[in-house]
Amino acid sequence: AQKITQTQPGMFVQEKEAVTLDCTYDTSDPSYGLFWYKQPSSGEMIFLIYQGSYDQQNATEGRYSLNFQKARKSANLVISASQLGDSAMYFCAMRENRNTGNQFYFGTGTSLTVIP
Amino acid sequence: NAGVMQNPRHLVRRRGQEARLRCSPMKGHSHVYWYRQLPEEGLKFMVYLQKENIIDESGMPKERFSAEFPKEGPSILRIQQVVRGDSAAYFCASSPGTSVGNEQFFGPGTRLTVL
Repeated sequence: AQKITQTQPGMFVQEKEAVTLDCTYDTSDPSYGLFWYKQPSSGEMIFLIYQGSYDQQNATEGRYSLNFQKARKSANLVISASQLGDSAMYFCAMRENRNTGNQFYFGTGTSLTVIP
Repeated sequence: NAGVMQNPRHLVRRRGQEARLRCSPMKGHSHVYWYRQLPEEGLKFMVYLQKENIIDESGMPKERFSAEFPKEGPSILRIQQVVRGDSAAYFCASSPGTSVGNEQFFGPGTRLTVL
């Protein structure tokens, strides 16, 4: 089974609008962390936001927020007030506590295009 | 505080040659991870190393691939006798620890092209 599933290969959003990128995960470990990374066309991986499995509140970082629904095992990224510079690939990732090195499991990504 | 450094950024090899990819983790980070990203895909874990030790290589192909993280110097991912299917972006990440909340800091990646 896939650890991380991103079902939206591509998304479009109008500039200044909000957009939600979906991510569902699969784990039986009670302790895990969920991350979102942005990969622009230049290729680097940029950390956006983190949510711990025991965190009571949804994480927020500036225009990014994470809609964490633990029972549904979903961790959707919400980008508010989209900007042209937000056009990029977005990857959801998970770390499990029980793995030796806690490597990341990545989804296949969502390509976001912001339309002027 | 310099980030994770990787070199070269781009590497072109002919089939059968060797590829050496280098990664210098962030200062103070002793945990290094290598990931591979095939075109149009997410990153896939290859190997996790600490200084002088391979801790988890469950994502490494059994043949031709090896990794090391010596006491001094960068971590090296080595691919022997490269084939076209090895063409990918290879990312190194470092982390100050292994708890679930520790972010992994990624390098800019090495884009390997096998002709």
